[in-house]
Amino acid sequence: DAEITQSPRHKITETGRQVTLACHQTWNHNNMFWYRQDLGHGLRLIHYSYGVQDTNKGEVSDGYSVSRSNTEDLPLTLESAASSQTSVYFCASSLDSNQPQHFGDGTRLSIL
Amino acid sequence: QKEVEQNSGPLSVPEGAIASLNCTYSDRVSQSFFWYRQYSGKSPELIMSIYSNGDKEDGRFTAQLNKASQYVSLLIRDSQPSDSATYLCAVRDSGGSNYKLTFGKGTLLTVNP
Repeated sequence: DAEITQSPRHKITETGRQVTLACHQTWNHNNMFWYRQDLGHGLRLIHYSYGVQDTNKGEVSDGYSVSRSNTEDLPLTLESAASSQTSVYFCASSLDSNQPQHFGDGTRLSIL
Repeated sequence: QKEVEQNSGPLSVPEGAIASLNCTYSDRVSQSFFWYRQYSGKSPELIMSIYSNGDKEDGRFTAQLNKASQYVSLLIRDSQPSDSATYLCAVRDSGGSNYKLTFGKGTLLTVNP
């Protein structure tokens, strides 16, 4: 079955380190999204991509970057991890404008 | 700034009752609306999508959309304890090639046995 997978599921790291979270989908969806979810803020969009080589900033993009070299993957990189980036991160994908987004299981990231 | 507003709850209903969850949105020209269910510690799961004014039913779930009032709701009939979760309203941003969703902060529903 087609699916969207995130790895790792849990990660603990130190401030200042570079961290990369993986997202891989097998639906052949062009549209992929990264969110963070924090108490009191709900889901907030970090970056998104509408296809290979396309990337766009969301509402909370500072300190994060993405790259899209193929349809299946959209890795999220924290260039220099900060404690404020401790959160649960969700990747999602969708087929087209009227189709819903489907979410991965999430990555719980703790930055000490 | 596009906004999607939901009552944070918690909304508590007895088992077998109807749970009513509400959502208002600021983008007058939004065309696509979604309800997600999120259990504690899990990822959001799509339960309903609605695109036209009126009601859409799927099993025990009914989504209602009123674009003139910028209002979308979710009714859960015969509520079960397994329906206890946070319900997220999501609205697609307007614009022809815009696939982004704006999410509300969610309403926590508790169904009491």
